[in-house]
Amino acid sequence: DGGITQSPKYLFRKEGQNVTLSCEQNLNHDAMYWYRQDPGQGLRLIYYSQIVNDFQKGDIAEGYSVSREKKESFPLTVTSAQKNPTAFYLCASGVAGAETQYFGPGTRLLVL
Amino acid sequence: KQEVTQIPAALSVPEGENLVLNCSFTDSAIYNLQWFRQDPGKGLTSLLLIQSSQREQTSGRLNASLDKSSGRSTLYIAASQPGDSATYLCAVTSSNTGKLIFGQGTTLQVKP
Repeated sequence: DGGITQSPKYLFRKEGQNVTLSCEQNLNHDAMYWYRQDPGQGLRLIYYSQIVNDFQKGDIAEGYSVSREKKESFPLTVTSAQKNPTAFYLCASGVAGAETQYFGPGTRLLVL
Repeated sequence: KQEVTQIPAALSVPEGENLVLNCSFTDSAIYNLQWFRQDPGKGLTSLLLIQSSQREQTSGRLNASLDKSSGRSTLYIAASQPGDSATYLCAVTSSNTGKLIFGQGTTLQVKP
């Protein structure tokens, strides 16, 4: 099955801890994106990557880091510098410059 | 800066009713406008995409219109069903940045 997967579905973070959210796609898409969604709000762009080994900050990149070592994978690390990490995180992929993005099922991050 | 607003934030209707969801955007410099559906705790599914040169798109019981000059779009759902209950998100692709900018969504409940 072609698609985009995210893991885990739920993630718990202790204060001061870094955690990494996984995003994998087998759609052969060049572009990948990370969004954050807070209750009752739309999605906000954290980071995006148009090609392997390159990525750019989105609108709310502070406290987050990413890597893009493989075309299929775009992991997001929520660092201890992110003071309000509780949110629903969505990964998406698409053909660079194309019209739409395909979304994964999301990871809900909670703080203990 | 592009801003996307959706009204109402929540809507509850009886089954069988026709309904309209509204989306407005502040900057007419867009490539396209999309309507997405999001079920609770899930990712986004693209419903309709309207290019900036188009006026409307239809898919089954869904019809989306676009008036770029006035910065408005509507999503019309005919003969609503309980299975239509979800959050509907509007997003524009900025022709200045190429990024998707989302509204905060309208949560629809269709009662049997």
